[in-house]
Amino acid sequence: AQSVAQPEDQVNVAEGNPLTVKCTYSVSGNPYLFWYVQYPNRGLQFLLKYITGDNLVKGSYGFEAEFNKSQTSFHLKKPSALVSDSALYFCAVRTMDSNYQLIWGAGTKLIIKP
Amino acid sequence: EPEVTQTPSHQVTQMGQEVILRCVPISNHLYFYWYRQILGQKVEFLVSFYNNEISEKSEIFDDQFSVERPDGSNFTLKIRSTKLEDSAMYFCASSSGGSPNEKLFFGSGTQLSVL
Repeated sequence: AQSVAQPEDQVNVAEGNPLTVKCTYSVSGNPYLFWYVQYPNRGLQFLLKYITGDNLVKGSYGFEAEFNKSQTSFHLKKPSALVSDSALYFCAVRTMDSNYQLIWGAGTKLIIKP
Repeated sequence: EPEVTQTPSHQVTQMGQEVILRCVPISNHLYFYWYRQILGQKVEFLVSFYNNEISEKSEIFDDQFSVERPDGSNFTLKIRSTKLEDSAMYFCASSSGGSPNEKLFFGSGTQLSVL
């Protein structure tokens, strides 16, 4: 069965430190990988995606993610965290086997402390 | 940036009642979706809609569910006879294209509580 795993329910990072939010996937076929963010009382907002090409993709708000095919991972990173980055982050994947509908991870709550 | 809007933000209903959740997608988008998230669980795909018909639906989307684009701007999800297990956050989304690399634009959701 196809799935996306975000192994950490919550990640705590001090402001100014680098952050990583982990995502691994288990799918058949080539994955299209996405990160979305949800701020309180807001909808899911697109951050970045990997389709093909360079394994390191850059997105909104200074975030980037690295696609690692051998480890089937797509971890979200930022070199220097801001308090305003505190939110719920979702990893999602689309493949032909899911008829290209989004399969979601459970979400990781990111807390940035000043 | 353009937004998808959903109304109401909260809906409380009695079991067995019909509810209609409303969404206004981004105006030039052609593909529309409903997802839901039961508390503590993952976001789940319900249905996709294009060219005035359902293009894809999940097992969740049974005969109790229907979608409609009644007037060219609104996109509605109707649950005919709500069950307790329908309680969830329902997200509407739209996209300009239907290819797998398209990003979806989501509304802020409607929290449905079935009592």
